[in-house]
Amino acid sequence: ETGVTQTPRHLVMGMTNKKSLKCEQHLGHNAMYWYKQSAKKPLELMFVYNFKEQTENNSVPSRFSPECPNSSHLFLHLHTLQPEDSALYLCASSREGEGAAGELFFGEGSRLTVL
Amino acid sequence: GQNIDQPTEMTATEGAIVQINCTYQTSGFNGLFWYQQHAGEAPTFLSYNVLDGLEEKGRFSSFLSRSKGYSYLLLKELQMKDSASYLCAVKDSNYQLIWGAGTKLIIKP
Repeated sequence: ETGVTQTPRHLVMGMTNKKSLKCEQHLGHNAMYWYKQSAKKPLELMFVYNFKEQTENNSVPSRFSPECPNSSHLFLHLHTLQPEDSALYLCASSREGEGAAGELFFGEGSRLTVL
Repeated sequence: GQNIDQPTEMTATEGAIVQINCTYQTSGFNGLFWYQQHAGEAPTFLSYNVLDGLEEKGRFSSFLSRSKGYSYLLLKELQMKDSASYLCAVKDSNYQLIWGAGTKLIIKP
């Protein structure tokens, strides 16, 4: 139990569907992240929220839409995805600021398959 | 460009010692992290180095040489449960994490 909870754990969707991934952290952290993990590739940072403000959007296609309603919750809205978007999507949180190493605490991930 | 290199896969024997290397070329340096990821699970934080030298934490140790752009993770008294992927990541001058592709460690009895 890492203190970061993701749902659903598995998701299968067609290219025309709309779905959302949810993440919740119970650690009092001030930063939250979405990462994409594909086999044998480095983790790809998608979005970062610091104190609920989006600070990073690493050229992610608009079919991925993040939402951070408060510092404990993070969503990733998905629509008209492509088969190459199939991957493990990891949510993480960290404490950022003076004196903090900023280690990430990850959720268990949402395994997404796009048909 | 920024780059993290680590071996793709390593094999070791239960009870032995293994060293997983990580070399990096980044724009600036603000710390190096090691994470462990068991198959089908989330990565979990193992260690953090920001100054040169060795950090020891039980059976695991992590070493850093900033001048050489080099780190290693040392695992002693290997156990079967240590079979996992080990991810190296560096924070660059903008405090962005640059990740390696991970090293899959296979432990044999």
